[in-house]
Amino acid sequence: GENVEQHPSTLSVQEGDSAVIKCTYSDSASNYFPWYKQELGKRPQLIIDIRSNVGEKKDQRIAVTLNKTAKHFSLHITETQPEDSAVYFCAASKEGGGFKTIFGAGTRLFVKA
Amino acid sequence: GAVVSQHPSWVICKSGTSVKIECRSLDFQATTMFWYRQFPKQSLMLMATSNEGSKATYEQGVEKDKFLINHASLTLSTLTVTSAHPEDSSFYICSARVSTTVSYEQYFGPGTRLTVT
Repeated sequence: GENVEQHPSTLSVQEGDSAVIKCTYSDSASNYFPWYKQELGKRPQLIIDIRSNVGEKKDQRIAVTLNKTAKHFSLHITETQPEDSAVYFCAASKEGGGFKTIFGAGTRLFVKA
Repeated sequence: GAVVSQHPSWVICKSGTSVKIECRSLDFQATTMFWYRQFPKQSLMLMATSNEGSKATYEQGVEKDKFLINHASLTLSTLTVTSAHPEDSSFYICSARVSTTVSYEQYFGPGTRLTVT
């Protein structure tokens, strides 16, 4: 079945450095790729998303890239801050077929001050 | 923005009893809602897709009779955990998809922490 792999599972960076989280998906029909940030005990929050007709999208310190051929997509956070510390989930979904969203296993990001 | 509420935020129940969790889209209509289960430090596991006015679609391995889902209106879906057991203790999160032809965004509720004693 559909699968989304996410790496690394844990990432520790120094404040001000960049953080990169990578995901691969198995279903080539996937056409929507959101990223969620989840702080401890709270709901996942959509932070950025990208559709399959776009290769890159940026929103301030956050950017996402998509390589449809390789079925890879990545989240890039620049100038990290302690408040960026959280668990980040990538996901892949497609219209139709019940619009199922498949989540990656998550990356626990620690930003050290 | 789209807001999804969930009630209760936490519940403790005795083994063998049933618990109902509500998921509401507050400022938009949601033809489709999703129910997830999340174990500590793990990802979101999709349990079922709830479609307004029709039966829910359950993922493989999720017992339909155990986890009853009702999507009675465009703003409300409920999950009832029947005959709960300690192994059902978990964090249950719903999400709703904004119903437009071009929007794929999903918004999550705050979650319900269920503890079965």
